Amino acid sequence: QVQLQESGPGLVKPSETLSLTCTVSGGSISSYYWNWIRQPPGKGLEWIGYVYYSGTTKYNPSLQSRVTISVDTSRNQFSLKLSSVTAADTAVYYCAREVEARAVAGGLVEYFDLWGRGALVTVSS
Amino acid sequence: DIQMTQSPSSLSASVGDRVTITCRASQSITNYLNWYQQKPGKAPKLLIYGASSLRSGVPSRFSGSGSGTDFTLTITSLQPEDFATYYCQQSYRTRAFGQGTKLEIK
Repeated sequence: QVQLQESGPGLVKPSETLSLTCTVSGGSISSYYWNWIRQPPGKGLEWIGYVYYSGTTKYNPSLQSRVTISVDTSRNQFSLKLSSVTAADTAVYYCAREVEARAVAGGLVEYFDLWGRGALVTVSS
Repeated sequence: DIQMTQSPSSLSASVGDRVTITCRASQSITNYLNWYQQKPGKAPKLLIYGASSLRSGVPSRFSGSGSGTDFTLTITSLQPEDFATYYCQQSYRTRAFGQGTKLEIK
């Protein structure tokens, strides 16, 4: 079955750029929307943004100036870059697949159906 | 931006109880509302999509309702494995989560 796996440095210095990669195994990345979501320790979930396999992106307005999400279909991977990090960016970062389905109540709706295990990234000098 | 507000933030209940969690959107999101369950140290799992559609494999004691700005997640006859944190999430415009509701054992 399809699985997602986050990878990247677990420690990043303040003001530097956080970089993570999500590898999609057991299936093709060439469909669906591919998302990054984070969760600071003991806090709730925050959506960061998504990339479509074609390269189209959309970001959380609160992070937009610092975020870049890209896709590499040849490697079945997508990546997150978050610049100028501070301690507030310390979090577990999840990658997630978003799919579309017809709802009983009507319409085509999108939801996150598959998640990676998450990668803890700590911002500290 | 569309803001999602859940209530209550935490809730204590007993096995066998019926519980309801509420999620309110800052503007109408029609039925673009999903519910997730998260246990400590684990990624969230989808329970309900499109406000009221039960994901395949999710027990029927979970149900969702609502449209527009007000939504509810109901769990009938709580089981020990249901004690977790629950999040609502809108997919109407960009994406956003509620702040979560922690369901604890009384």
